Amino acid sequence: GQNIDQPTEMTATEGAIVQINCTYQTSGFNGLFWYQQHAGEAPTFLSYNVLDGLEEKGRFSSFLSRSKGYSYLLLKELQMKDSASYLCAASGYQKVTFGTGTKLQVIP
Amino acid sequence: SAVISQKPSRDICQRGTSLTIQCQVDSQVTMMFWYRQQPGQSLTLIATANQGSEATYESGFVIDKFPISRPNLTFSTLTVSNMSPEDSSIYLCSVAAREVQETQYFGPGTRLLVL
Repeated sequence: GQNIDQPTEMTATEGAIVQINCTYQTSGFNGLFWYQQHAGEAPTFLSYNVLDGLEEKGRFSSFLSRSKGYSYLLLKELQMKDSASYLCAASGYQKVTFGTGTKLQVIP
Repeated sequence: SAVISQKPSRDICQRGTSLTIQCQVDSQVTMMFWYRQQPGQSLTLIATANQGSEATYESGFVIDKFPISRPNLTFSTLTVSNMSPEDSSIYLCSVAAREVQETQYFGPGTRLLVL
């Protein structure tokens, strides 16, 4: 079966750091995607983790623990334009399953 | 990443009618998918569009309601048939270069309102 859990909403201050968590249970797990979706727009790819550990890409980093079924997306030096929904998606056997998304609001 | 376009970008339709949504990619891709995203919800996979054969539908979605065509490696259509207000949603196509486990890139979406 496929089950993905992430917080519904988060609020953080401009310039701060925020961590968005995701837990998953996925048959035949391959890897974990993070997508960003601004309101009214399509999701855009942020990262894909296959191996355990932290992968850094500019202000965004993504972490994966396969043994714990856990991932997080870390956003540093938050900017107002980072206000968006962040979707966690687990790649499993012949399927990618999306979580419900975490709506992040960045405030001044 | 591929450049993906969808037509129409939005539409308002009457109950009982059908709407066909087109998805065009600027390069040949193996995998094409159709998703639905209802307001405040996440992405729900409707089906995988297979080139040269019938689409593979997810549980809860049937071919009579959502017929799909995939005539070549750059184009697909999704028809929403006999629409009801519950079909009001955003419909998105996505593509992956070779395999379902690869990164998917999304089209801009079609916003459908059924009255």
